[in-house]
Amino acid sequence: DAGITQSPRHKVTETGTPVTLRCHQTENHRYMYWYRQDPGHGLRLIHYSYGVKDTDKGEVSDGYSVSRSKTEDFLLTLESATSSQTSVYFCAISEGGTIAGELFFGEGSRLTVL
Amino acid sequence: SQQGEEDPQALSIQEGENATMNCSYKTSINNLQWYRQNSGRGLVHLILIRSNEREKHSGRLRVTLDTSKKSSSLLITASRAADTASYFCATGPGNTDKLIFGTGTRLQVFP
Repeated sequence: DAGITQSPRHKVTETGTPVTLRCHQTENHRYMYWYRQDPGHGLRLIHYSYGVKDTDKGEVSDGYSVSRSKTEDFLLTLESATSSQTSVYFCAISEGGTIAGELFFGEGSRLTVL
Repeated sequence: SQQGEEDPQALSIQEGENATMNCSYKTSINNLQWYRQNSGRGLVHLILIRSNEREKHSGRLRVTLDTSKKSSSLLITASRAADTASYFCATGPGNTDKLIFGTGTRLQVFP
């Protein structure tokens, strides 16, 4: 199994509070991704990173920011959580390149915003 | 908007039967991938087919790709109860390093 750890795995928070989800990999893969999964929407890309300090937006990036200061860590931050951000968040990694390759997924972080 | 759309949304079959899921997408792609997700778990990669390939096999899995119709199908032969999961197609549009997922097909295999 790919070495991907997400933390926390479960979190309940209140509207307006900041939340940070962490993804840690031991594979030294260049690419890291954050997706959210909601019923009826499948997985939607939030942000991704193609290297340290190199990030780009996905299709649902509003309200989210990311940072990657080390190869192994990719942080997803909700500056002020809203109920619409209640979701299951998945981190994924890949060796990457100019063409999308196989992704390895973490086990997910379930976030509930009350 | 989603790049890939799976059909059907849900599928129920008996053990031993074949399961076929379809995926349609909108733009040109470099490759198309299929993933499985067991309930409450992360996604697991099953198979990747490149845009210049028409068919690919892996064990009981058979994937076809028709770029003229912008569609793909995943066939699971001789299904088992352990195949019960959601299946997603994902496409890499054009010269991009992003992978866009469809909405998935929920497969239920009854013993």
